[in-house]
Amino acid sequence: AQSVTQLGSHVSVSEGALVLLRCNYSSSVPPYLFWYVQYPNQGLQLLLKYTSAATLVKGINGFEAEFKKSETSFHLTKPSAHMSDAAEYFCAVSESGANNLFFGTGTRLTVIP
Amino acid sequence: DAGITQSPRHKVTETGTPVTLRCHQTENHRYMYWYRQDPGHGLRLIHYSYGVKDTDKGEVSDGYSVSRSKTEDFLLTLESATSSQTSVYFCAISEYPGGGDEQFFGPGTRLTVL
Repeated sequence: AQSVTQLGSHVSVSEGALVLLRCNYSSSVPPYLFWYVQYPNQGLQLLLKYTSAATLVKGINGFEAEFKKSETSFHLTKPSAHMSDAAEYFCAVSESGANNLFFGTGTRLTVIP
Repeated sequence: DAGITQSPRHKVTETGTPVTLRCHQTENHRYMYWYRQDPGHGLRLIHYSYGVKDTDKGEVSDGYSVSRSKTEDFLLTLESATSSQTSVYFCAISEYPGGGDEQFFGPGTRLTVL
């Protein structure tokens, strides 16, 4: 069975500081992993995805994530937070042949000026 | 942006009334999904469709039905709305099923059941 755990429902960072949002997954087969971002009153937008190519995945807006099989993790990072990064972030997992994504409960990122 | 619209965007209704939400896409994608988003739960799949008239249940399908008579439209119906169905509903589409294919999301419908 697939599942995703996002540690920390709220994360606050100062502008210019490192952003680290944690995601651990459970999957019985090699997973596909996604990070989505949701700005207030909007739908979800894909930041990046892992599909078994490079383990370090670069996404939009300077975000990247590293797939670590040994740790069953896919943490999202950004070296320097901007005010515009304030949003809710969702990690999701899927498997080959599956018909849908399984989402984590989300992490709300606040950026402090 | 993927061409996905949802209507209505906001709705307030009373317990026991039927409600239909519409998702319309212009991408000609085969797969369409309905999710609900609730605090502390993330997004949970209600129903999905893998073609015209082909649908299946998701994780939280009780109290919901769906229909897809055309590729571009996917309807979600609450037969008799309850307060527990107060939520934000998102439609999503994808070209291929699951796996590594990205899902594109609509703007959402905020439903309040009084």
